[in-house]
Amino acid sequence: DGGITQSPKYLFRKEGQNVTLSCEQNLNHDAMYWYRQDPGQGLRLIYYSQIVNDFQKGDIAEGYSVSREKKESFPLTVTSAQKNPTAFYLCASSFRGPQHFGDGTRLSIL
Amino acid sequence: GESVGLHLPTLSVQEGDNSIINCAYSNSASDYFIWYKQESGKGPQFIIDIRSNMDKRQGQRVTVLLNKTVKHLSLQIAATQPGDSAVYFCAENSDSGNMLTFGGGTRLMVKP
Repeated sequence: DGGITQSPKYLFRKEGQNVTLSCEQNLNHDAMYWYRQDPGQGLRLIYYSQIVNDFQKGDIAEGYSVSREKKESFPLTVTSAQKNPTAFYLCASSFRGPQHFGDGTRLSIL
Repeated sequence: GESVGLHLPTLSVQEGDNSIINCAYSNSASDYFIWYKQESGKGPQFIIDIRSNMDKRQGQRVTVLLNKTVKHLSLQIAATQPGDSAVYFCAENSDSGNMLTFGGGTRLMVKP
């Protein structure tokens, strides 16, 4: 089945630790996105990539990093510089139409 | 599952009734609009979209209405079912790419 797979579903981070969230898509979409969702709020854009080997900062990129070495993969690293990382992280992809989302990774602090 | 939004506006309807969820968008240059449904602990799911050259579009049990004059978008769900209970987001696109700006969401609760 075509779709977007995010892993892991739940992730715990220790203080001072970097963690990486995985996002893989087999929809052959050029564009991929990372959003953060906090309770009571909509989705806020962290980073996006319109094409392989290129990515741009979104509205809340500080404390995050990404790479786009392959079309199907867009991993997000939450660095220790992100002081409030507890949130629900959503990955999406698109090609000329609506964005399609994975089922998210919930990140918590130990 | 996890709660998507603890303080979202909530619409409570009786099973079988019609639901209307509203969204005010911000950018008069937006030309593409999408409604998403998000169930607890899951990612948003595409429901229906509409371009600015239309004012109405219908899907299966859903209708989206667009009023560009007042920058208002609505989602109508006919014969609402318990499985429709979720948080609904509108999103707008105002650039030539696929960038979306999301609204804050409305929680729909369906009473049996």
